[in-house]
Amino acid sequence: GAGVSQTPSNKVTEKGKYVELRCDPISGHTALYWYRQSLGQGPEFLIYFQGTGAADDSGLPNDRFFAVRPEGSVSTLKIQRTERGDSAVYLCASSPPGRETQYFGPGTRLLVL
Amino acid sequence: KQEVTQIPAALSVPEGENLVLNCSFTDSAIYNLQWFRQDPGKGLTSLLLIQSSQREQTSGRLNASLDKSSGRSTLYIAASQPGDSATYLCAVLPDSWGKLQFGAGTQVVVTP
Repeated sequence: GAGVSQTPSNKVTEKGKYVELRCDPISGHTALYWYRQSLGQGPEFLIYFQGTGAADDSGLPNDRFFAVRPEGSVSTLKIQRTERGDSAVYLCASSPPGRETQYFGPGTRLLVL
Repeated sequence: KQEVTQIPAALSVPEGENLVLNCSFTDSAIYNLQWFRQDPGKGLTSLLLIQSSQREQTSGRLNASLDKSSGRSTLYIAASQPGDSATYLCAVLPDSWGKLQFGAGTQVVVTP
């Protein structure tokens, strides 16, 4: 079956611009996670959704970052007033109900110039 | 605060040798530990998951051990092949849901 998909695969933007990153989880998966991976580092947790609600957003670095999942399926990570330090790979993962295994998408590589 | 460390950061071995990758964590109160593989430009692929009550898991040439009390896990890859070249990440899950906490990974190169 189809895995987690993320679009775009690459995004280049200028400092100060607004970007949206999309994640399509595996069908039927209720939990959705966003992580950010900087070069040479492991992924760092950003936010976790259970259904439509954000169950844990403690990893969002500041109020420029926001994520939504309005219908409990697709999620969008939104970054306002981008900074060069936001450049990273943004990974999305999903889990089926009652299971802790997370299935990862290929990521969106964001470059802020 | 949980800290996950992987040593070494990089490793190069000739084909056929066994690989030993180490992961340590500071807080033993974990729900499970997972090993992932990451290929360049790709997402993460789960290799092995060890529940906190388990001591090891095996899948083919891969074997992972867990010593929760000492905060250590080791991933063994037997008879390495060039196709095993990738970055290997370990991650701990503190609860039955929620955020995985990753180490920085070990970059492995297996030379033919």
